[in-house]
Amino acid sequence: DGGITQSPKYLFRKEGQNVTLSCEQNLNHDAMYWYRQDPGQGLRLIYYSQIVNDFQKGDIAEGYSVSREKKESFPLTVTSAQKNPTAFYLCASSIDHRAPLYGYTFGSGTRLTVV
Amino acid sequence: DQQVKQNSPSLSVQEGRISILNCDYTNSMFDYFLWYKKYPAEGPTFLISISSIKDKNEDGRFTVFLNKSAKHLSLHIVPSQPGDSAVYFCAASAGSGGSNYKLTFGKGTLLTVNP
Repeated sequence: DGGITQSPKYLFRKEGQNVTLSCEQNLNHDAMYWYRQDPGQGLRLIYYSQIVNDFQKGDIAEGYSVSREKKESFPLTVTSAQKNPTAFYLCASSIDHRAPLYGYTFGSGTRLTVV
Repeated sequence: DQQVKQNSPSLSVQEGRISILNCDYTNSMFDYFLWYKKYPAEGPTFLISISSIKDKNEDGRFTVFLNKSAKHLSLHIVPSQPGDSAVYFCAASAGSGGSNYKLTFGKGTLLTVNP
């Protein structure tokens, strides 16, 4: 079955450390996205990528970095510059940039906790 | 500035009755609207969508209504079932413009259906 795999499901990080969240999809989707969910805040866009080797900042990109070297993979690095990294992180993909026609497929998320 | 607003953080209904979830938007460029359902510790799943050229879209027990003049949409679930208990997110996109395809999400409404 095709889908999006996020790993790990739970991640603990010490303050001052960078950490990378994995997102892999086998849906042959061109576009991929990273969202962050906080209680009472809904989903906020961190970064998105329309195509391999291209990505753009979303609404809350500060303290995060991404890469898109392969169509299937869109890892997110949470750097020590991110002031409040504890959150639930969701990766999503869509067939192409025409997201509103087809919607997104989401992964099951990674819960990051800074200790 | 919150462009997609779900003003009710929670809603509780009895099994078999109608659930009505509301969503307001401020960006007049939005022309595609989607509803997602999310269980705890899981990624959202696509539920139903509507284009601005329509005012109603129906899929089984789920119907979405769009009132463009009021910049308001609603999701009706009839009849409500306990398995419908989840957080529902409203999302919007200015997709037909080509460049602004990314989805903007509301903060979500927690629906509880009581047996």
